[in-house]
Amino acid sequence: QQQVKQSPQSLIVQKGGISIINCAYENTAFDYFPWYQQFPGKGPALLIAIRPDVSEKKEGRFTISFNKSAKQFSLHIMDSQPGDSATYFCAASLMRGNQFYFGTGTSLTVIP
Amino acid sequence: DGGITQSPKYLFRKEGQNVTLSCEQNLNHDAMYWYRQDPGQGLRLIYYSQIVNDFQKGDIAEGYSVSREKKESFPLTVTSAQKNPTAFYLCASSIGGVTYEQYFGPGTRLTVT
Repeated sequence: QQQVKQSPQSLIVQKGGISIINCAYENTAFDYFPWYQQFPGKGPALLIAIRPDVSEKKEGRFTISFNKSAKQFSLHIMDSQPGDSATYFCAASLMRGNQFYFGTGTSLTVIP
Repeated sequence: DGGITQSPKYLFRKEGQNVTLSCEQNLNHDAMYWYRQDPGQGLRLIYYSQIVNDFQKGDIAEGYSVSREKKESFPLTVTSAQKNPTAFYLCASSIGGVTYEQYFGPGTRLTVT
């Protein structure tokens, strides 16, 4: 059973637009929700993360919105740039389990 | 520079051969992980280790084996029992305990023919 479901699978956005990627999770015990950015042939890199005690976290052009009651969280990339073109993964983890459950990834293409 | 190294970047093997993928970290992290990445399937956990000389199976451990004899090293062996070994393999580490950030290595692409 997929613990974390991610959508869309792919996304094309014009330069300067807003990219939105959504994730939904099953286990209400999850207490850490990171987003990773991965360029082709490279390992994922942590982009931004949120804990369930806050509804939003912003770092530069990247914002996570978190809806605990709906068990959903999303990544918003404002003023999207061609350099943002990459695959984005959401994830969730349990404090004590130390295991991470990843979404299936979203391939983002930002058109100049 | 602190980080995670994986070697080699590309690896080719014949079917029926065991192969070992290297993962080394100098971040002094307690926990280490191995993931497999296939197109459209995200990252799937193979094995993880929270401390030296201890490791647990992840979701897709069949056909793989690991060891954790040193804190900085967590090699993964892909055995001939793994039915579909061709994939991109990622090693990661984290401090462990209450710190959740996970850091990834650059990956090894294994091709078995």
